[in-house]
Amino acid sequence: EPEVTQTPSHQVTQMGQEVILRCVPISNHLYFYWYRQILGQKVEFLVSFYNNEISEKSEIFDDQFSVERPDGSNFTLKIRSTKLEDSAMYFCASSAGTGQGYEQYFGPGTRLTVT
Amino acid sequence: GDSVTQMEGPVTLSEEAFLTINCTYTATGYPSLFWYVQYPGEGLQLLLKATKADDKGSNKGFEATYRKETTSFHLEKGSVQVSDSAVYFCALRTGGFKTIFGAGTRLFVKA
Repeated sequence: EPEVTQTPSHQVTQMGQEVILRCVPISNHLYFYWYRQILGQKVEFLVSFYNNEISEKSEIFDDQFSVERPDGSNFTLKIRSTKLEDSAMYFCASSAGTGQGYEQYFGPGTRLTVT
Repeated sequence: GDSVTQMEGPVTLSEEAFLTINCTYTATGYPSLFWYVQYPGEGLQLLLKATKADDKGSNKGFEATYRKETTSFHLEKGSVQVSDSAVYFCALRTGGFKTIFGAGTRLFVKA
């Protein structure tokens, strides 16, 4: 069964450093998403991406964050100048479409620890 | 804005016990409702879904009914197993892109 994969599974970085989290969505999917979960809190939507553009973003997704699909398979989340409060589990997801009939498939997550 | 509230955990049950995890929602439109499960060390997996009022989603012995009048989508299972130990997330989507999640409920099932 096709699945979304994410690398690395755990990333430790120092405050102020840049990190890139990588995702490989399911191959025929067109919509890509990033969510995050701060420890003990809700899973929160960050951004959705379609046709090489951001289609929706939350208030969390500020100028510190950017997303890119650098090639036909990868989807990345870049966090510039990380802060302690960026420590969280980051989930990538993909879907074949939007609306009620389409499921978002989630990856296993990358745990980011900012020290 | 739209939101999901689910019962706090952890919930600890013995094997073969009946499970209920409560979930209520607030939404301005007509959302689709979901239950996701996260097993230790794994990602979020869709457990079941319902897209309109009175629909019942079911999978692996779990059920949930979309109740518009009470804005609820409670998860139930008649007889839990140790392998059901996981974190369960109630969620909604009102079309568009983002899924809105509840805080998650951790379930421990003892043998």
